[in-house]
Amino acid sequence: DIQMTQFPSSLSASVGDRVTITCRASQGISKWLAWYQQKPEKAPKSLIYAASSLQSGVPSRFSGSGSGTDFILTISSLQPEDFATYYCLQYNTYPLSFGGGTKVEIK
Amino acid sequence: EVQLLESGGGLVPPGGSLRLSCAASGFTFSNYAMSWVRQAPGKGLEWVSVISSSGGSTYYRDSVRGRLTISRDNSRNTLYLQMNSLTAEDTAVYYCAKHPETFGDSVIDYWGQGTLVTVSS
Repeated sequence: DIQMTQFPSSLSASVGDRVTITCRASQGISKWLAWYQQKPEKAPKSLIYAASSLQSGVPSRFSGSGSGTDFILTISSLQPEDFATYYCLQYNTYPLSFGGGTKVEIK
Repeated sequence: EVQLLESGGGLVPPGGSLRLSCAASGFTFSNYAMSWVRQAPGKGLEWVSVISSSGGSTYYRDSVRGRLTISRDNSRNTLYLQMNSLTAEDTAVYYCAKHPETFGDSVIDYWGQGTLVTVSS
């Protein structure tokens, strides 16, 4: 099974800050990685697929990069509505597997 | 607009059974693979199972294989998860999730709001 290691597990940032979250796969997954945002008591929302493709309707301040084993989600200028938990998902191989999550909190 | 509405969650004793349903609308249900993903209280997301668009292919995570069964009725636009021999480790919010492809080795693009399953005596 592919293990997804996501870091940091939490971070504190201010509105306007640039934020990066990293996800590392235990083996190569090509570009088959997605990023999701989840707010408390809500379902996850899709942000990025195929490592760097933005889902329709997602603000352009979100971007993704990487391939193989190392991937990054970047929020270029953090907005108040971006405080949430973020998860990566590899869908290269069954079982699909998520990273442990990164909680982005207000500094 | 894609809508996924789960139902069937609740409190069940250890060893008990439960069947979850997910009613889909806003897209051609029979064209897309579907998954169940769960989230234990205060924990992260965990993929559980996937079924292909036709229902002919299914995959499970090891910890649920043999106890949980995914199925679908394309005539009713409904996804199911039959849960047997439940343990406390199965306590979680269960999300129904849609893939944009026929088979499930693809990204998840839409999620339902979830239904809570609590396994406790």
